[in-house]
Amino acid sequence: NAGVTQTPKFRVLKTGQSMTLLCAQDMNHEYMYWYRQDPGMGLRLIHYSVGEGTTAKGEVPDGYNVSRLKKQNFLLGLESAAPSQTSVYFCASTKVWQAADTQYFGPGTRLTVL
Amino acid sequence: RKEVEQDPGPFNVPEGATVAFNCTYSNSASQSFFWYRQDCRKEPKLLMSVYSSGNEDGRFTAQLNRASQYISLLIRDSKLSDSATYLCVVNTLEAAGNKLTFGGGTRVLVKP
Repeated sequence: NAGVTQTPKFRVLKTGQSMTLLCAQDMNHEYMYWYRQDPGMGLRLIHYSVGEGTTAKGEVPDGYNVSRLKKQNFLLGLESAAPSQTSVYFCASTKVWQAADTQYFGPGTRLTVL
Repeated sequence: RKEVEQDPGPFNVPEGATVAFNCTYSNSASQSFFWYRQDCRKEPKLLMSVYSSGNEDGRFTAQLNRASQYISLLIRDSKLSDSATYLCVVNTLEAAGNKLTFGGGTRVLVKP
């Protein structure tokens, strides 16, 4: 099993550009999450999904959209990137809702917005 | 006040020494607690859960103090490979369900 994978690993955008981050998991997990990690801030939940076709806002959703058309994939979109969105983005999945003891993270995407 | 707070460090630790650090949480309704380890430029990974009675996993000991609302992690006989950032994670049951809150992490540098 590959676990949770993320693409791309790195990306540099100019302000106003758009992009999509892809997260894929092969563990048949229902729940998937997108976090951002900024220095000293801890991971903050952007959006999450409780199953195929459903998404919901997390703690810091502004400027992001998500889609979960297939159970194994969770996409995070930035429609018009801003420098404040420079961060490391982690995707995660769990079998049980917010189960911290069985939460699997992807390797992360480092995004810089100039 | 942040919901979960950690001393960012770094804690500079001689190899073989013991290091301990805490994580404080503000919500007394928080139910379960965890320590994650995050290596530089890597994803977080579960290190251990924290049980009410305290628990050990090899050289690592986790404690919970509900009265003072903090958890602690102690690393004995530190190895160079213990150098990492340690994230505290708190699970709180809210009306909408479980909510995980991550601390900002404590950086530990073990030196020869």
